[in-house]
Amino acid sequence: DTGVSQNPRHKITKRGQNVTFRCDPISEHNRLYWYRQTLGQGPEFLTYFQNEAQLEKSRLLSDRFSAERPKGSFSTLEIQRTEQGDSAMYLCASRESSGGLYEQFFGPGTRLTVL
Amino acid sequence: AQSVTQLDSQVPVFEEAPVELRCNYSSSVSVYLFWYVQYPNQGLQLLLKYLSGSTLVKGINGFEAEFNKSQTSFHLRKPSVHISDTAEYFCAVRLSDYKLSFGAGTTVTVRA
Repeated sequence: DTGVSQNPRHKITKRGQNVTFRCDPISEHNRLYWYRQTLGQGPEFLTYFQNEAQLEKSRLLSDRFSAERPKGSFSTLEIQRTEQGDSAMYLCASRESSGGLYEQFFGPGTRLTVL
Repeated sequence: AQSVTQLDSQVPVFEEAPVELRCNYSSSVSVYLFWYVQYPNQGLQLLLKYLSGSTLVKGINGFEAEFNKSQTSFHLRKPSVHISDTAEYFCAVRLSDYKLSFGAGTTVTVRA
């Protein structure tokens, strides 16, 4: 399967713990996006990368959140000192940086539950 | 700022009946619009997109949408639904740098 993959698919943690999610984009895609989807809502933009450069961060991304894409391939999203309000589905998407397709390809998401 | 509003949070429909999901957008500039579908415990899959040109856009799985600039709408339609169309549907608009802004979603439940 050459789509976007995310691991783990589910994560249950206790409040105050740190968690890290991984996203592997489609191999030739330069741009990688993170979104957060809470129950009953559409996804909300968190941050995006072009290659290894993090170009924009949403105000939703508090200082407890950090994202990296060290070699311009996979990306990690870390949440420190998790809170119950962090419970959500975290979605990753990738696309080519040029060309007219405009389509973002989404992974299956990581569902985080903070107890 | 560009945004979309989905007017229906839930749409129950009988199998083989038509369905319409409503989406309105706000934008003062050229707009690129999308419809995505999300099946339970899965990511989002693109159904169709409007970039320019013909206002009637055909997508996968028999879905189509019509871009209406005067009414700032981009409603999604399917003439005959199947049980397998039960899912959540999201309308989205492209922001700068290809970020997407999504509506709150419409849950479609198809009943036999």
